[in-house]
Amino acid sequence: NAGVTQTPKFQVLKTGQSMTLQCAQDMNHNSMYWYRQDPGMGLRLIYYSASEGTTDKGEVPNGYNVSRLNKREFSLRLESAAPSQTSVYFCASGTGEMLGSGNTIYFGEGSWLTVV
Amino acid sequence: SQKIEQNSEALNIQEGKTATLTCNYTNYSPAYLQWYRQDPGRGPVFLLLIRENEKEKRKERLKVTFDTTLKQSLFHITASQPADSATYLCALGNQGGKLIFGQGTELSVKP
Repeated sequence: NAGVTQTPKFQVLKTGQSMTLQCAQDMNHNSMYWYRQDPGMGLRLIYYSASEGTTDKGEVPNGYNVSRLNKREFSLRLESAAPSQTSVYFCASGTGEMLGSGNTIYFGEGSWLTVV
Repeated sequence: SQKIEQNSEALNIQEGKTATLTCNYTNYSPAYLQWYRQDPGRGPVFLLLIRENEKEKRKERLKVTFDTTLKQSLFHITASQPADSATYLCALGNQGGKLIFGQGTELSVKP
């Protein structure tokens, strides 16, 4: 099992360009997440999908869109990139279980995005 | 707005001692709380989950407490080792699947 796979790992964009970060999980998880991590800011939730077919805004959704393509895949799109979106982006998936073992979350390795 | 606060200053301790990290939160009623470990250049790794109706959870050298009245969780690493050096993040989750993180505390264990 690969776990959570996100691509690309590194990307440099010019201001105003668009791009999509791809994320796929092979653990049959219900919930998926996109976070950004900036120095001193911790992980901030951009969007999440509690189950296939649903998406919800997190703490910092402005400038981003998401698509839960199917149970495996959750993509993050920057329509018009800005320097403020320079960050490390993490995709994660979770069992979504509230009972039993609980909502255990697994993270991808991160995507380093620079907007110039 | 919802806020999670962790010690912003790095914690430096001697090998063999117990490390204690704090996580406080406001304006939130979590269904559960989690702790993660993150190494430089890597994604966070899940360590422990504790539910709102649980007071304490243990796993090997790790212990987590959760006080919903104080809105605080304490994370303990006993008999700490240099390999425990990393950034530790707490996260709060609700029934709807939303999961938010604190900014993390960097732990450094000196031999």
